Amino acid sequence: RKEVEQDPGPFNVPEGATVAFNCTYSNSASQSFFWYRQDCRKEPKLLMSVYSSGNEDGRFTAQLNRASQYISLLIRDSKLSDSATYLCVVLSFAGGTSYGKLTFGQGTILTVHP
Amino acid sequence: NAGVTQTPKFQVLKTGQSMTLQCAQDMNHEYMSWYRQDPGMGLRLIHYSVGAGITDQGEVPNGYNVSRSTTEDFPLRLLSAAPSQTSVYFCATGTGPYNEQFFGPGTRLTVL
Repeated sequence: RKEVEQDPGPFNVPEGATVAFNCTYSNSASQSFFWYRQDCRKEPKLLMSVYSSGNEDGRFTAQLNRASQYISLLIRDSKLSDSATYLCVVLSFAGGTSYGKLTFGQGTILTVHP
Repeated sequence: NAGVTQTPKFQVLKTGQSMTLQCAQDMNHEYMSWYRQDPGMGLRLIHYSVGAGITDQGEVPNGYNVSRSTTEDFPLRLLSAAPSQTSVYFCATGTGPYNEQFFGPGTRLTVL
């Protein structure tokens, strides 16, 4: 089983739609969680961190469910510019070391059309 | 400030050749890492460093070496290139793994 799993999509939605992505992780001791955005042939960039209480940044809402080991990203009122790949990222600490390592999901492709 | 720079942007190698991918940052970050990105696989961690003189292996370290002699630079060496190393390589940096990672623009490597 992969440490971090995402539905690769693609999700094709019209402008103005609400779309949600889920991501599951296997390491129950994972510490921190993030969503990154990657445009085609570009480097990933941080979209938002995910906090235990859930957090919102404009049209984007991230939630964490530790009991079920998943995080989610909700995008409201989708824009054409939201078209990208969304990467779920989990921080875990390997046994025997204090150095955290980030594990990326394979990404979910979102296409927003007019 | 340049942020994170990677060179070269593109590279074609023949099987068995060696080369070094360069990564430099001017953000004074201690944590640096190398990832490769393949279709359907997402980004996979190759090696990482928590500071000058300290490196550790990630998920897919075989065939790659790293060193960290300065805070700014974190080169990735391919010892004997293989077609399986055809990929896009990203260098990233941050104050730590628990904070935002800043990625370089990537190096697209093809091994024939």
